[in-house]
Amino acid sequence: ELKVEQNPLFLSMQEGKNYTIYCNYSTTSDRLYWYRQDPGKSLESLFVLLSNGAVKQEGRLMASLDTKARLSTLHITAAVHDLSATYFCAPGGPTSGTYKYIFGTGTRLKVLA
Amino acid sequence: DGGITQSPKYLFRKEGQNVTLSCEQNLNHDAMYWYRQDPGQGLRLIYYSQIVNDFQKGDIAEGYSVSREKKESFPLTVTSAQKNPTAFYLCASTGGRHQPQHFGDGTRLSIL
Repeated sequence: ELKVEQNPLFLSMQEGKNYTIYCNYSTTSDRLYWYRQDPGKSLESLFVLLSNGAVKQEGRLMASLDTKARLSTLHITAAVHDLSATYFCAPGGPTSGTYKYIFGTGTRLKVLA
Repeated sequence: DGGITQSPKYLFRKEGQNVTLSCEQNLNHDAMYWYRQDPGQGLRLIYYSQIVNDFQKGDIAEGYSVSREKKESFPLTVTSAQKNPTAFYLCASTGGRHQPQHFGDGTRLSIL
């Protein structure tokens, strides 16, 4: 059974600082997704990582995937208040047959001015 | 614009009552999903469907039922057997294995 762990669960950081969120998963997966959720809102897609070594960047966020280590990271550069949200990772399902997505525990990020 | 529409936005259930949450998508996606989110928690999969007239249980299917009679629609019924239904319910769809899920705005269900 696929298990997904994110750390840290909570992160409070000052504006302008850098930090990395980690996503570990327990079984083989060839792709991984990152999502953002604002308080009281739904989820929106941030990054789609489809292969080992994939790196995607959007603004102050950069995501990477190491399928051999079963690890994805979400790096925040020079954080700003607008990045305050909860971030979820979700490895993809099996390469054949039916598939489902299992979400990580989420990392609640608060950026302090 | 294509997207996923969930209704209602807020729903209140009386004891012993079944309630149905609507999820409609016009993205022409084959796969649809229902998740439950409790306050401060992550998403837990209730049911998912990859094609019309077929669906599978997720991790917390007890007390819930679904149907998939049309590609566009995947309604979720919260039955009276679900003793703790208060949560935020999210419907999602995806067009393929290499695509992210698109989410609706969610339905907040509470007990009266």
